Amino acid sequence: AQSVTQLDSQVPVFEEAPVELRCNYSSSVSVYLFWYVQYPNQGLQLLLKYLSGSTLVKGINGFEAEFNKSQTSFHLRKPSVHISDTAEYFCAVGRMNTGFQKLVFGTGTRLLVSP
Amino acid sequence: DAMVIQNPRYQVTQFGKPVTLSCSQTLNHNVMYWYQQKSSQAPKLLFHYYDKDFNNEADTPDNFQSRRPNTSFCFLDIRSPGLGDAAMYLCATSTDANNEQFFGPGTRLTVL
Repeated sequence: AQSVTQLDSQVPVFEEAPVELRCNYSSSVSVYLFWYVQYPNQGLQLLLKYLSGSTLVKGINGFEAEFNKSQTSFHLRKPSVHISDTAEYFCAVGRMNTGFQKLVFGTGTRLLVSP
Repeated sequence: DAMVIQNPRYQVTQFGKPVTLSCSQTLNHNVMYWYQQKSSQAPKLLFHYYDKDFNNEADTPDNFQSRRPNTSFCFLDIRSPGLGDAAMYLCATSTDANNEQFFGPGTRLTVL
């Protein structure tokens, strides 16, 4: 079974500052990793995903994440945040090579960007 | 634009009164999922349809049922809603070839 840990429930940051949202996973098999963003009262939108290949993954809205197999981590980063990045961010894991995905989500990190 | 649509966006029901939430998709994806998301929590998978095959998660209460009359539509039926069923319900779709789930905007259910 897979599990995901997002240690930070809330991350406050000032506009234009860099940010890192942490995600660690546990799995006995190879996995795919995802970051989703959820704005208030909306569904989830995919930010980026790691399937294979380069461990540095670039996504939408200037976000990127790095897959670190030895540390079982997939931290999300952005060099300069905007007010509009205020949202809930979910890390998720799925089993590799099982066709369609059943995802296990972390508990989420609320990013609060202030002026 | 191809998308996942959920209706209504907000639903209010009374304790014990059956309610149905609707999801439709124009993506022609063969897999459809229903998640329950309570306040400040992660989405929790209730069940999914792989084509016409229904797959229930082991801890999904019997109070929750689902129907998929065709590829495009999927319904979530809550037979006797309790106060603890108040949540955001998210529908998602995917194919069995890709690795991304596409989410609808969700339906926020209030139980009075």
